[in-house]
Amino acid sequence: GNSVTQMEGPVTLSEEAFLTINCTYTATGYPSLFWYVQYPGEGLQLLLKATKADDKGSNKGFEATYRKETTSFHLEKGSVQVSDSAVYFCALSSYSNTGNQFYFGTGTSLTVIP
Amino acid sequence: DGGITQSPKYLFRKEGQNVTLSCEQNLNHDAMYWYRQDPGQGLRLIYYSQIVNDFQKGDIAEGYSVSREKKESFPLTVTSAQKNPTAFYLCASSFSGLAYEQYFGPGTRLTVT
Repeated sequence: GNSVTQMEGPVTLSEEAFLTINCTYTATGYPSLFWYVQYPGEGLQLLLKATKADDKGSNKGFEATYRKETTSFHLEKGSVQVSDSAVYFCALSSYSNTGNQFYFGTGTSLTVIP
Repeated sequence: DGGITQSPKYLFRKEGQNVTLSCEQNLNHDAMYWYRQDPGQGLRLIYYSQIVNDFQKGDIAEGYSVSREKKESFPLTVTSAQKNPTAFYLCASSFSGLAYEQYFGPGTRLTVT
C-alpha cells in the first residue's frame, strides 16, 4: 500500500539554524511528492513538490529532492527564521482504481526561537 | 481571485443535531476531498469525489455524508451518528492527475457540545 512516514516532532531550532525534516514513503508505481505547511488555525499550503525521481522542489529557501533509491523526500532549509514556525506535512499522490489519491504524513511541528 | 472557500470558520452545535459544512471552489478542479484533523494529529480522509455525481468513502466515513451535484461544490454533513464530531475540517480540491497538488480551504472548526 501507499504511506508516508515523517520524523516525529516537535522540533525546536534557533534562528539561522539548519533544518532537516525527514520523510520516507512507500508507494506503488511512480508517485508525486509534496511538502505542505500549516500555520495555526489555517488550511495547508503547498510549499514545494517533485513529480519524478531526482527532481528537486524548492520554494522560499526550502528544498527537497525526490530520491527513488532511498524512497525519501527530506525537507531542508539552510537558515530558518521565526516566521518558519509551523507544522510541515509530507505527502504523496498515487493512482488508485478510483483516481489519484493523496497520502499524508502525521506532520512535524517546528518552532524557531529568536 | 481563484480559490477554495469554506464556511463558516467556526461552527457550534448541540449534540444530536446534523450540521452541514460548505466547500466551494472556482479553480475548475475535478476532484474534491474532505479531511478531518484533530489537535496535534495528521489528516484523515473522510470522503472524496473525482467527478460530479460520484464520490467514494475515505478512511473515516462513518457518521458523515456528502453530495457532489455541482463541480464547484462539495458539502459535508456531519450527522448525529458521528460519535466525536468536534474537530477541524479541511476541504481540498485538485485537478485529476498525479502531478497536481491539492489546494486547501481555510478550514471549519466544529464544536459539538
